[in-house]
Amino acid sequence: AQKITQTQPGMFVQEKEAVTLDCTYDTSDPSYGLFWYKQPSSGEMIFLIYQGSYDQQNATEGRYSLNFQKARKSANLVISASQLGDSAMYFCAMRDPNFGNEKLTFGTGTRLTIIP
Amino acid sequence: NAGVTQTPKFRILKIGQSMTLQCTQDMNHNYMYWYRQDPGMGLKLIYYSVGAGITDKGEVPNGYNVSRSTTEDFPLRLELAAPSQTSVYFCASSYLSGGQFFGPGTRLTVL
Repeated sequence: AQKITQTQPGMFVQEKEAVTLDCTYDTSDPSYGLFWYKQPSSGEMIFLIYQGSYDQQNATEGRYSLNFQKARKSANLVISASQLGDSAMYFCAMRDPNFGNEKLTFGTGTRLTIIP
Repeated sequence: NAGVTQTPKFRILKIGQSMTLQCTQDMNHNYMYWYRQDPGMGLKLIYYSVGAGITDKGEVPNGYNVSRSTTEDFPLRLELAAPSQTSVYFCASSYLSGGQFFGPGTRLTVL
């Protein structure tokens, strides 16, 4: 069985600083995908970034980057130059290759608060 | 292009009542999913579909049913609602192995 662990229930960060949100995962399958989603207070789930287990380089999308350390089974999200609008819940998720190849297992999330 | 739409946004049910949560996507995605999110938790998969006419159970399917007669629609049926089904329900869709796009959610309370 696979598992996603997010050990930071909440974080407070000063505006314009960089933020690292931790995510570790556990799977025995060599082929998997890792996702990060943002959930603002309005409730919708916003897809941020994706990393495939065979990708050679760390994924980047604008101010978001994924620090993928395969040997450590970690997939931390890095947000550069944080903004007030980054305040939200952030969920790490992993695609289960043994469950129709599309099932996502979610972590419990990290609540990020950006301080002006 | 509306993406993934869900109706209703909010609903209160009495124990034992039934209802259908509607989900429609206009992106021609073949994969669709239903998740529930309990307070302070991540999302858990209820059912998913890899195409019209094909559905399968997720992690927490008990008390729910789905159907997928078209590519666009993936309704979730609750039979005999129970307080344990109080949650926020999210529908999502994706094309093959891409990121999943979520609807705005339906907040359901069962009293």
